[in-house]
Amino acid sequence: GEQVEQRPPHLSVREGDSAIIICTYTDSATAYFSWYKQEAGAGLQLLMSVLSNVDRKEEQGLTVLLNKKDKRLSLNLTAAHPGDSAVYFCAVTNAYKVIFGKGTHLHVLP
Amino acid sequence: NAGVIQTPRHKVTGKGQEATLWCEPISGHSAVFWYRQTIVQGLEFLTYFRNQAPIDDSGMPKERFSAQMPNQSHSTLKIQSTQPQDSAVYLCASRSLRNYAEQFFGPGTRLTVL
Repeated sequence: GEQVEQRPPHLSVREGDSAIIICTYTDSATAYFSWYKQEAGAGLQLLMSVLSNVDRKEEQGLTVLLNKKDKRLSLNLTAAHPGDSAVYFCAVTNAYKVIFGKGTHLHVLP
Repeated sequence: NAGVIQTPRHKVTGKGQEATLWCEPISGHSAVFWYRQTIVQGLEFLTYFRNQAPIDDSGMPKERFSAQMPNQSHSTLKIQSTQPQDSAVYLCASRSLRNYAEQFFGPGTRLTVL
C-alpha cells in the first residue's frame, strides 16, 4: 500500500525565516495532496490541498510544491512567526483513504 | 457552521469499562472518518462511512471496537472492555463526497484508560 515519509520530525527556525517540510510517497497514482496543521489540544486544520495536476500553489505565506517525478511534496512557510509553531502533517489521498505522514514539530523562535 | 463536533473532549475510564465517543459531522458532509492518534503510531485510519453506510472498517481492532452512523448527523465509536493501550486521541473527520482532498477534523476525544 501507499507509504508516506515525512521529514524532518522536528524543525526549529527563527522568526522571519522560512521553514520547509518534505514528504515522499510511493504510489504514482495518488490523486490528492494536503497539508494540515495541528496545535496543542486541537484537531487537524486543513492548510492547503492540491490535485495531482498542480505543481505549485501559494496561499497566504504558504507554498506547496508537488514533484510527481520524484513523488515529493513540500510545504514552505515563508517568513515564519511564533504563531506558526505547531505540528504539520502531509496527507495523500487515493480514492477515499487518506494516509498521513508522521508529522513535523515546528518551533518558531522569536 | 460549527465544524465537526466531538464529545466528550476528555474521557477517563477504568480498565474493562466501555467508552462511547460521539461525532457530529459538518452538515451536508456525507463522508465520515474516524482516526486514532498516538505519539508512537501517529494518525491511524479506523473506519469510513459514506451516506451513513459503513464502507471500510479495516483499521478497526476487530474484537472490541465498533462504529455506527445511525443518521446523517452523528456517528459513534464504541470501545468495549477498554484496555490501557486504547488510550489515545480519537479524531472524527468529515468531507463532502465531491472533494476528496479536504477533510475537516473535529477537536478529538482524549481517551485515558487507567
